[in-house]
Amino acid sequence: DAMVIQNPRYQVTQFGKPVTLSCSQTLNHNVMYWYQQKSSQAPKLLFHYYDKDFNNEADTPDNFQSRRPNTSFCFLDIRSPGLGDAAMYLCATSRDSSYQPQHFGDGTRLSIL
Amino acid sequence: GIQVEQSPPDLILQEGANSTLRCNFSDSVNNLQWFHQNPWGQLINLFYIPSGTKQNGRLSATTVATERYSLLYISSSQTTDSGVYFCAVRATGGGNKLTFGTGTQLKVEL
Repeated sequence: DAMVIQNPRYQVTQFGKPVTLSCSQTLNHNVMYWYQQKSSQAPKLLFHYYDKDFNNEADTPDNFQSRRPNTSFCFLDIRSPGLGDAAMYLCATSRDSSYQPQHFGDGTRLSIL
Repeated sequence: GIQVEQSPPDLILQEGANSTLRCNFSDSVNNLQWFHQNPWGQLINLFYIPSGTKQNGRLSATTVATERYSLLYISSSQTTDSGVYFCAVRATGGGNKLTFGTGTQLKVEL
């Protein structure tokens, strides 16, 4: 059974039109992460939540925001998608922030028209 | 920040062959994971191995943390093993960030 669930698997949006990607987990983990993976590159961390505490990576563009309304759900909002934001977006969870493996969802592949 | 290098970058195998993938990292780590990303983009967790040796079927992994490297062994390779293999590390004192290596693209042919 899937433990980190991302919806949808594929998302198409228009240039400049806001889009939201969702992630849910059944593991009751404290930490939820969002990674961006562009074509032929390694995943790169955008930000993470430790419980309700939001931690942004220094080089994450302001165009990217996140919400975590409860333990189970986390959302990635892209306010004005540009062509360069086309990528695979991966959600991950871990029990806490130290000495614990991260568990990844299947990802959402975002295309920008 | 920590640097993570993987070798080889590309590998082509005949089905049934064995291979060793290497991951070198530039600083001490408290988390190391090996992943297989399949052609559909799914990132499959293979091993959580900050130190020591683990085996799971045809796959095994060894991390020598004091020498800052990890190895992934694939035996009797199958076409379904094709994809990209990533190692990812969390640097000691480096917060929650999992830094991914450069990846090894593996293709297994009949």
